[in-house]
Amino acid sequence: GAVVSQHPSWVICKSGTSVKIECRSLDFQATTMFWYRQFPKQSLMLMATSNEGSKATYEQGVEKDKFLINHASLTLSTLTVTSAHPEDSSFYICSASFWGQGDFSNQPQHFGDGTRLSIL
Amino acid sequence: QKEVEQDPGPLSVPEGAIVSLNCTYSNSAFQYFMWYRQYSRKGPELLMYTYSSGNKEDGRFTAQVDKSSKYISLFIRDSQPSDSATYLCAMGKTSGSRLTFGEGTQLTVNP
Repeated sequence: GAVVSQHPSWVICKSGTSVKIECRSLDFQATTMFWYRQFPKQSLMLMATSNEGSKATYEQGVEKDKFLINHASLTLSTLTVTSAHPEDSSFYICSASFWGQGDFSNQPQHFGDGTRLSIL
Repeated sequence: QKEVEQDPGPLSVPEGAIVSLNCTYSNSAFQYFMWYRQYSRKGPELLMYTYSSGNKEDGRFTAQVDKSSKYISLFIRDSQPSDSATYLCAMGKTSGSRLTFGEGTQLTVNP
């Protein structure tokens, strides 16, 4: 199946630090990547949709300047949490989908393993 | 009212039992229906993926979609302790598009 790699898996840092999370599609070109946030015992909350080469589309209530998303290539998207504070502590998960021909045509989103972010 | 409703459980069954998980939805534009399994502190793993109405079987897993009733199900036969996880239903309007998730059902299979 499709492989989506997310790095780092866990990060602890001080309040005020900016943290970058990478999401890579390892075996297909991801035309669209999605970033989610998940709180304990809750479902996934979509933060933004990222299309390669264009600006991300943020969901209502998600601060664009706080959560910077870059999707510069078909295999890599990054989420930067700027000036992180304890309330930003959460589990962040990316996913990737593919449009086109081949093994992954008409495939739904494949998820990375998530990044646990803890802000002290 | 939520677009997708899923009983969060928790659901506890003995090993070998047949498990039935369900979701209902309200948006008739949904065409693609997925079931994901999520272990603690891991990302969701795609289990089953169906387009429109019908059944799909993969090993011990069977997914059913009834668009007329706006109801989808996942059946797990001969459940194993390793099936203990949270199961999320998800649906979308087009392939690869944004998904709407259910709350997830927490399943425990007891040895």
